[in-house]
Amino acid sequence: AQKITQTQPGMFVQEKEAVTLDCTYDTSDQSYGLFWYKQPSSGEMIFLIYQGSYDEQNATEGRYSLNFQKARKSANLVISASQLGDSAMYFCAMREAPDMRFGAGTRLTVKP
Amino acid sequence: DTGVSQDPRHKITKRGQNVTFRCDPISEHNRLYWYRQTLGQGPEFLTYFQNEAQLEKSRLLSDRFSAERPKGSFSTLEIQRTEQGDSAMYLCASSPSLAGEGETQYFGPGTRLLVL
Repeated sequence: AQKITQTQPGMFVQEKEAVTLDCTYDTSDQSYGLFWYKQPSSGEMIFLIYQGSYDEQNATEGRYSLNFQKARKSANLVISASQLGDSAMYFCAMREAPDMRFGAGTRLTVKP
Repeated sequence: DTGVSQDPRHKITKRGQNVTFRCDPISEHNRLYWYRQTLGQGPEFLTYFQNEAQLEKSRLLSDRFSAERPKGSFSTLEIQRTEQGDSAMYLCASSPSLAGEGETQYFGPGTRLLVL
């Protein structure tokens, strides 16, 4: 069964603007972790941000923030002040130890 | 460079041949993971090591696949009698042995396999 759903195959954003990438997940566990990774064309998966299921505050890391809505089982990534270098695939992932399950990804293109 | 490294970065082989990939994790990390990623998809979990012990294997890991981590440091993934469907990016990740769900995995650059 699909555990992680990313409904946006592709997104465009103007440079310097903010963009939200959607992610919903499915689990019956109380304890889980949610992650976002960036994968540029080079192929390497780059860790961006983490949110624990028990964390009450939304995680933030520089220009990245995670809009965590536990009741709706969503964990959207917000990128503020987009830069051309942000163009890449973005994957949402959920950790139910020890597995990490990934969504199909969203391709973000930042336009100058 | 203290990140996860993988070798080779690219491999082209003929159907039926055996291939072996190597992963060197971040030195302090006890856990090591292998994933497979096909075009247009997210990575799929294959197997996981805690030190030298292989603790979990996905159903995706057929009998033709074998992974080892003999000394609890580097790991190898071997595919025997390769098939065209094995063509994919093989990603390795490592993490420290922190308990719980917040364990961040750090990925290597991957090995891209093409089976002709």
